[in-house]
Amino acid sequence: EVQLVESGGGLVQPGGSLRLSCAASGFSFSNDAMSWVRQAPGKGLEWVSNISGGGGSTYYADSVRGRFTISRDNSKSTLYLQMNSLRAEDTALYYCAKKPSDAFDLWGQGTMVTVSS
Amino acid sequence: QSALTQPASVSGSPGQSITISCTGTSRDVGGYDFVSWYQQHPGKAPKLIIYDVSDRPSGVSYRFSGSKSDNTASLTISGLQAEDEADYYCSSYTRSSTWVFGGGTKLTVL
Repeated sequence: EVQLVESGGGLVQPGGSLRLSCAASGFSFSNDAMSWVRQAPGKGLEWVSNISGGGGSTYYADSVRGRFTISRDNSKSTLYLQMNSLRAEDTALYYCAKKPSDAFDLWGQGTMVTVSS
Repeated sequence: QSALTQPASVSGSPGQSITISCTGTSRDVGGYDFVSWYQQHPGKAPKLIIYDVSDRPSGVSYRFSGSKSDNTASLTISGLQAEDEADYYCSSYTRSSTWVFGGGTKLTVL
């Protein structure tokens, strides 16, 4: 079955760190770019970051650049998002998504990150 | 990275057609044919329904269609059905090599 399963979310204090993981299965993971997209409670979708299939190219939204780092381990078919210096406004459901070309064609169910003291 | 502009809500009766607009700039929607649309039911993950402005992924109903004119993309749903009631989001590639989503449109089937 083709699927993405996120994990690693939780409650963290402002200024803290968290690492999200996304385990992929059912497709050739290394062939496709991958992305993180977040959705604050009751709000719309916000693109966070992209990484190329080989991992050599990464892109970030202005709101997270310098604080978040996207990476991947193709041998483990796993995508990561290292989140540092977390802020209240980073509170959201974080989705990983497969992006083979110009659209996000497969989404996980998301992992919730709550930044609060 | 300003969000693309979508109407907050649209509504229609079963069997009717509705259109949702998505307005950006020449740096995103108007500059590339990389506009996609997503359907999201409450508590569920988004689902891709249109990519590259007007292409439908396998398995998506022909009732969903997309188009673009200048800086505005549009999603049309024909023959509205109760299960079409959901939130809809557009997305576009941008000149900064990033991606941007619209604010979302809530579709109500009356």
